Amino acid sequence: GNSVTQMEGPVTLSEEAFLTINCTYTATGYPSLFWYVQYPGEGLQLLLKATKADDKGSNKGFEATYRKETTSFHLEKGSVQVSDSAVYFCALSEDSTLTFGKGTMLLVSP
Amino acid sequence: GAGVSQSPSNKVTEKGKDVELRCDPISGHTALYWYRQRLGQGLEFLIYFQGNSAPDKSGLPSDRFSAERTGESVSTLTIQRTQQEDSAVYLCASSLAQGTYNEQFFGPGTRLTVL
Repeated sequence: GNSVTQMEGPVTLSEEAFLTINCTYTATGYPSLFWYVQYPGEGLQLLLKATKADDKGSNKGFEATYRKETTSFHLEKGSVQVSDSAVYFCALSEDSTLTFGKGTMLLVSP
Repeated sequence: GAGVSQSPSNKVTEKGKDVELRCDPISGHTALYWYRQRLGQGLEFLIYFQGNSAPDKSGLPSDRFSAERTGESVSTLTIQRTQQEDSAVYLCASSLAQGTYNEQFFGPGTRLTVL
């Protein structure tokens, strides 16, 4: 079956630091890949997505590249802000439903 | 416009009682999904509805769980004879149509606590 593995948190960074949150997946076919973010007290929202190999999704300074050869979709941001503190979920979809990782909490301090 | 709404936001119940959770999807969205997020776990798919097609119930963990949807509007998730392991945040999402490319918009969730 499909599965998503992402690094455990919390990830604690100072403002303006570089961020990487690792995500790898197992799928039977060719899934679409997503990063969702959950800010404190808010619902899940889509951050970015990529639908085929070598695609790069980007939004709000975050980027992730769909790497089929390493089955990975690592999330990166060059300079984090305090407002980026949230829980980040990597997910895949091969049909209509999403398979999520367990989430990684990011804490950014001033 | 209005997003996905869920009610109640919090529900505390006693073991063995039945509970109903409600989801109002975004107007015009034909696909509706229920997920569960237990503490320290990722989101688990429970069930999804697409238009008038038979729902995909493959993620329901037991026959105590059921869900209904009226047309392309409100959905209710019912848990009968609740157990402590049912404690979780139940999330509803909707999308314009089924398929991997259609963004799912999530509601704020219902936090269920079974004592």
